[in-house]
Amino acid sequence: GAVVSQHPSRVICKSGTSVKIECRSLDFQATTMFWYRQFPKQSLMLMATSNEGSKATYEQGVEKDKFLINHASLTLSTLTVTSAHPEDSSFYICSARDPRAGLNTEAFFGQGTRLTVV
Amino acid sequence: AQSVTQLDSQVPVFEEAPVELRCNYSSSVSVYLFWYVQYPNQGLQLLLKYLSGSTLVKGINGFEAEFNKSQTSFHLRKPSVHISDTAEYFCAVSYDTGGFKTIFGAGTRLFVKA
Repeated sequence: GAVVSQHPSRVICKSGTSVKIECRSLDFQATTMFWYRQFPKQSLMLMATSNEGSKATYEQGVEKDKFLINHASLTLSTLTVTSAHPEDSSFYICSARDPRAGLNTEAFFGQGTRLTVV
Repeated sequence: AQSVTQLDSQVPVFEEAPVELRCNYSSSVSVYLFWYVQYPNQGLQLLLKYLSGSTLVKGINGFEAEFNKSQTSFHLRKPSVHISDTAEYFCAVSYDTGGFKTIFGAGTRLFVKA
């Protein structure tokens, strides 16, 4: 089945620094990828839709200058948390659909990235 | 607007007992329905999905769900649970608004006791 890989799985960074998280579709090309944030014991909240070759679409309330998304190729989207603060500590998950299966199918999820800002 | 409600935040159950995790949704457009499972510090794994056709859907690990359009529900069931089923379960809907989005319910923590 289609696989989505996320890297790193865990990252600890100092407050004020930036962190980049990668999301790759391993055996399919994804023109669209999705980034979610999950707080402890809570659900996934959609942050933005990453569009290959164009600007990401952010959900209401998500700071686009804080969470930079780049989708430079059909297999890679990156989320950069800029000037990270402890409140940005969270579990970030990406997902993508395999277009060969049609858009109205399930999304495949990365393993998630646990970000801790100290 | 679309929304997903999981009525139970936690469901404790004894091993080999049956379980039902409830999910209701609301939407003004056609939706596709999914159940995902999440183990600690991991991503989500698809259990089953309803896209069209038969309203009773069977998934992996012995789970099944039934789509009820009149009640806008998609409850997840398993006739006999195992300790290894302890995890977080998310109901999700996908819909097309010019780009397919997926939104999730708050999740239900299934805790299987020996």
